[in-house]
Amino acid sequence: DSGVTQTPKHLITATGQRVTLRCSPRSGDLSVYWYQQSLDQGLQFLIQYYNGEERAKGNILERFSAQQFPDLHSELNLSSLELGDSALYFCASSPGGVQFFGPGTRLTVL
Amino acid sequence: DQQVKQNSPSLSVQEGRISILNCDYTNSMFDYFLWYKKYPAEGPTFLISISSIKDKNEDGRFTVFLNKSAKHLSLHIVPSQPGDSAVYFCAARLTGGGNKLTFGTGTQLKVEL
Repeated sequence: DSGVTQTPKHLITATGQRVTLRCSPRSGDLSVYWYQQSLDQGLQFLIQYYNGEERAKGNILERFSAQQFPDLHSELNLSSLELGDSALYFCASSPGGVQFFGPGTRLTVL
Repeated sequence: DQQVKQNSPSLSVQEGRISILNCDYTNSMFDYFLWYKKYPAEGPTFLISISSIKDKNEDGRFTVFLNKSAKHLSLHIVPSQPGDSAVYFCAARLTGGGNKLTFGTGTQLKVEL
């Protein structure tokens, strides 16, 4: 158990819909990272937050947004969903250096 | 542009033998490299890391070697155990790029009895 929690574990929705994925980092970690893993692909970095502020952005679509709240939990919002958004979404937290990953949310867009 | 490459999608090894997983990278500005292991339906689990100022780091059965001139790193597992069967991801961090990681596509290791 990495100490990073993600909810929900599975999410099935339809094209055009909007969903919110939630992540709680390890106690004391200020940084939260979001990654997307599509079928047979490596993890693609989406966005990083540090203590409530956006720190770095990867290839995150404009339809996607994230935020980190004062209690350090983070949410990833995905809107106008397309079939190609079906993937595993991982959250990680870090005190610096090594990142510790949550179990992921599997999103299926039908 | 795939900056971190794992060219072997799968590897099969007998129990007790050495497993060698390889990773190549193209960006000389990567300063820190990590290996993660991933079981199905779980998140990646950190295994071992190495800074670009070193060429070897060892932790129990796991050793990572870094060859900067060849832009190549490898993970050695000795001896291999059936519980090592998983997907292994190589990841790299860019100097001055915050702490975001660039991942390879993974190698599925199967350790057979």
